[in-house]
Amino acid sequence: AQSVTQPDIHITVSEGASLELRCNYSYGATPYLFWYVQSPGQGLQLLLKYFSGDTLVQGIKGFEAEFKRSQSSFNLRKPSVHWSDAAEYFCAVALYGGATNKLIFGTGTLLAVQP
Amino acid sequence: EPEVTQTPSHQVTQMGQEVILRCVPISNHLYFYWYRQILGQKVEFLVSFYNNEISEKSEIFDDQFSVERPDGSNFTLKIRSTKLEDSAMYFCASRAKNIQYFGAGTRLSVL
Repeated sequence: AQSVTQPDIHITVSEGASLELRCNYSYGATPYLFWYVQSPGQGLQLLLKYFSGDTLVQGIKGFEAEFKRSQSSFNLRKPSVHWSDAAEYFCAVALYGGATNKLIFGTGTLLAVQP
Repeated sequence: EPEVTQTPSHQVTQMGQEVILRCVPISNHLYFYWYRQILGQKVEFLVSFYNNEISEKSEIFDDQFSVERPDGSNFTLKIRSTKLEDSAMYFCASRAKNIQYFGAGTRLSVL
């Protein structure tokens, strides 16, 4: 069965420090890969996506992610974290090709940013 | 920028009561979804809807749940007789070009 693992439940970084959030997936083929962010009281906002091609993808708010097929990973990175990045981050996968195309989410990583 | 709108933002109900959660998807999207997130747990798929019918539903989506697109703009999730374990955040999403766009969610509290 498809699954997504985010091994870090909670991460604290200092403002200005670099960030890497881990995501591993279990799937028979290469799925479509997403990172969403949820700020308090907000919905799920798409940060970036990978469908095919260049394995390093750029997203909004200065985030990037790298797809590594050999490791079944899609880790999210940011070189310098801002206080406004404090939120919960969700990795998700989907296999498209039909009318369904549901997303399967990881458990999320809660990011705290300290001054 | 177009967005998915959900109402209400918070719904409190008594166990056994019926609730209807409402969503207005992005206007030119054709695929619609409901997900839920129980506090402290992951976001889970409930149901997908396309061409006026359910295309897939999860094990969670039992006979107590139903979805409807009553007009050209709204997409609703009905829970016929709520249980305590239905307390969760419910997210609506609509999809275009393989990207799902989510609303801000409705927090359902069943007392």
